[in-house]
Amino acid sequence: KNEVEQSPQNLTAQEGEFITINCSYSVGISALHWLQQHPGGGIVSLFMLSSGKKKHGRLIATINIQEKHSSLHITASHPRDSAVYICAVAPAGNQFYFGTGTSLTVIP
Amino acid sequence: GAGVSQSPSNKVTEKGKDVELRCDPISGHTALYWYRQRLGQGLEFLIYFQGNSAPDKSGLPSDRFSAERTGESVSTLTIQRTQQEDSAVYLCASSPGLAVNNEQFFGPGTRLTVL
Repeated sequence: KNEVEQSPQNLTAQEGEFITINCSYSVGISALHWLQQHPGGGIVSLFMLSSGKKKHGRLIATINIQEKHSSLHITASHPRDSAVYICAVAPAGNQFYFGTGTSLTVIP
Repeated sequence: GAGVSQSPSNKVTEKGKDVELRCDPISGHTALYWYRQRLGQGLEFLIYFQGNSAPDKSGLPSDRFSAERTGESVSTLTIQRTQQEDSAVYLCASSPGLAVNNEQFFGPGTRLTVL
């Protein structure tokens, strides 16, 4: 049983397209994190959400606590956005549950 | 300032040997996390420290795995009698407080290969 489900698993887009990655979870949470893992393996934290919506540059993250769902949007996608995007949820107590990631490839 | 560093970056060992992986968190970060990522798979939580206390060890896969942290500084993850299934990238992250409510900063990882 996976506490966190992401979709799609793989995504290929043309440069400039609007991209949406979805995350659904089954546990009660205190916070949800979106992470980006670059092809070389490095991981960067993009957002930490407990409610509503956050925006950083071309990235937007939303969360609906009642529906246990979050989305990560990328506007005007660029080849440098190519990476694996990982959703992680944090129930109280600091145990983290991770999705298996969405592999995004943006083609010039 | 300096980010999270891990050493070694790569480690190749023979089955049955012990290995120690080191993590240097960002100075002042009280929380420190260890994760494992097997090839082609997602991240697995192993253990976290708040200060030098480890309230949650539930993610450690077996009693061959142990970790310690000195004060609010360096942490060491030790794997005894390594097995081939231990081959993975071991990632460390630190955060200013509990990562439930704080951004995590990840190290570059240690790639462990058990032959």
